[in-house]
Amino acid sequence: DGGITQSPKYLFRKEGQNVTLSCEQNLNHDAMYWYRQDPGQGLRLIYYSQIVNDFQKGDIAEGYSVSREKKESFPLTVTSAQKNPTAFYLCASRADAQGIDYGYTFGSGTRLTVV
Amino acid sequence: AQSVTQLGSHVSVSEGALVLLRCNYSSSVPPYLFWYVQYPNQGLQLLLKYTTGATLVKGINGFEAEFKKSETSFHLTKPSAHMSDAAEYFCAVRDKIIFGKGTRLHILP
Repeated sequence: DGGITQSPKYLFRKEGQNVTLSCEQNLNHDAMYWYRQDPGQGLRLIYYSQIVNDFQKGDIAEGYSVSREKKESFPLTVTSAQKNPTAFYLCASRADAQGIDYGYTFGSGTRLTVV
Repeated sequence: AQSVTQLGSHVSVSEGALVLLRCNYSSSVPPYLFWYVQYPNQGLQLLLKYTTGATLVKGINGFEAEFKKSETSFHLTKPSAHMSDAAEYFCAVRDKIIFGKGTRLHILP
């Protein structure tokens, strides 16, 4: 079955360390997105990519970095510059960023906790 | 610019009662509108969407929503709540998809 896989599901990081969250999709979707979810704040866009080797900052990109070397993969690195990284991170993909909108397909999320 | 407002961060209904979750949007272009559901520690799942055509949209799990342009609304309804409907619900409008802050639905036995 096609879908999006995020790993790991739970991740613990020490302060000052960088950590990378994995997101892989086999849906052949062009566009991929990273959202951060905090209680009571809904979803906030971190980065998105509409095509391989290209990505754009979202609303809260500071302290994060991404790459899009392959269509299937869109890893997110949470750097030590991110002041408050503890959150639930969601990856999503969409079939066509410019054309008909079928909505997002989401991964099951990664819960990152800084200890 | 587009935005989404969900009225009520928490809504409680009795099992068997009508579910009504409110969503208002603003958009300078014809909107594509979505409702998503999220169960604890999981990603979001698409419930239904409006793009063009019929303004009453039916989705999964017995939910439906009606696009009312004059009211800039896209409220989500279900005639009879079930315990399994307890979750968080997000309304969203397209183009990088702007999400509302979510409404947590509680079902009372």
